Amino acid sequence: NAGVTQTPKFQVLKTGQSMTLQCAQDMNHEYMSWYRQDPGMGLRLIHYSVGAGITDQGEVPNGYNVSRSTTEDFPLRLLSAAPSQTSVYFCASSPAAGSNNSPLHFGNGTRLTVT
Amino acid sequence: AQKITQTQPGMFVQEKEAVTLDCTYDTSDPSYGLFWYKQPSSGEMIFLIYQGSYDQQNATEGRYSLNFQKARKSANLVISASQLGDSAMYFCAMRGSRGFNDYKLSFGAGTTVTVRA
Repeated sequence: NAGVTQTPKFQVLKTGQSMTLQCAQDMNHEYMSWYRQDPGMGLRLIHYSVGAGITDQGEVPNGYNVSRSTTEDFPLRLLSAAPSQTSVYFCASSPAAGSNNSPLHFGNGTRLTVT
Repeated sequence: AQKITQTQPGMFVQEKEAVTLDCTYDTSDPSYGLFWYKQPSSGEMIFLIYQGSYDQQNATEGRYSLNFQKARKSANLVISASQLGDSAMYFCAMRGSRGFNDYKLSFGAGTTVTVRA
């Protein structure tokens, strides 16, 4: 019972490099999302998807791209890494949007450092 | 816009005692859901408890209970009989019902709880 799987767990990038954070879920959840966690700020929504082929921006989308070609996968791309993107990134999913009693199921996070 | 406020950055509690973590929220959505998550030092986010805005009774899950006061817009988490394993960061979060609020969970800044033996 894997749930939400994120890879890698840790990553160090140089400024200007690009990379993709992977996220996969095996619960057939419609809704998937990416959050970043910074000290004292809780978690902030970067991008989300309500189904395959449908994505939209969250609160802090600049510098990130997403796509959703399958129900299971929701990768997050950093186009040109900046030190301000140093953070812990969480992928999360839930059965459906439009259902405010659905808790999010989180992956274990990716700790990203940009030097 | 939705907003969650957790005013206690850190708290200490003696083992076996109860602790209350404060959470206030602001929303204009007609219905909404309130959640609490635990984040231990290992970093994963663990769902603890849920309260719906129209639920008549306060939610309980084992040693966790939610003191929901709708008129005051507060949703405090009570952990009874604290254990050393309860030491963690705790987040209050809300999901709305209208437009963008329906799709995102808005989080407070978190409260760090340290349980002393």
